[in-house]
Amino acid sequence: GENVEQHPSTLSVQEGDSAVIKCTYSDSASNYFPWYKQELGKRPQLIIDIRSNVGEKKDQRIAVTLNKTAKHFSLHITETQPEDSAVYFCASLTGGGNKLTFGTGTQLKVEL
Amino acid sequence: DGGITQSPKYLFRKEGQNVTLSCEQNLNHDAMYWYRQDPGQGLRLIYYSQIVNDFQKGDIAEGYSVSREKKESFPLTVTSAQKNPTAFYLCASSPQGKVGYTFGSGTRLTVV
Repeated sequence: GENVEQHPSTLSVQEGDSAVIKCTYSDSASNYFPWYKQELGKRPQLIIDIRSNVGEKKDQRIAVTLNKTAKHFSLHITETQPEDSAVYFCASLTGGGNKLTFGTGTQLKVEL
Repeated sequence: DGGITQSPKYLFRKEGQNVTLSCEQNLNHDAMYWYRQDPGQGLRLIYYSQIVNDFQKGDIAEGYSVSREKKESFPLTVTSAQKNPTAFYLCASSPQGKVGYTFGSGTRLTVV
């Protein structure tokens, strides 16, 4: 089955700096890659996603890039703010069943 | 609250007992999922259902059971066979054939 690896597990940045979280996947048939943000004790919320026919997607301060050849995708957050502090999960969708396989999460801390 | 409701929010179970976690959605979504979340391990798929009266095992189904008698409901039973049930349980739903999960707010289960 699909395997998704996510790095780093923790990331601390100064307010205003950029943050990058990276994920790799194993199944070349994976075709959809969402990113979720989870604040403490709350449900994961979709923040951005990308399909396999696109190399990059941006939404204000957030961007995602996809390298299908290398089977990795990354989340980029620019001009980080304290409210960006949360756990971020990457995921991939493979074939039938509409099942997402999640990475192990990155705890992002934005320090003042 | 977001169209998918999990109850209870907190649940305490004595060893040897079965407990059932509720998940109800009013989004008219065909597919529903149960994930388990442990610190440092991300979200792992327990069971999923793409249609009423049908469900499949996920990656960590042992010690769990589900039913899907109604489109709106997908309860999860944690049986006494589950050796380490203490975790945060998340239910999600998605439209059939489309990506994009909606998550419930979760149930935190603790064995006492």
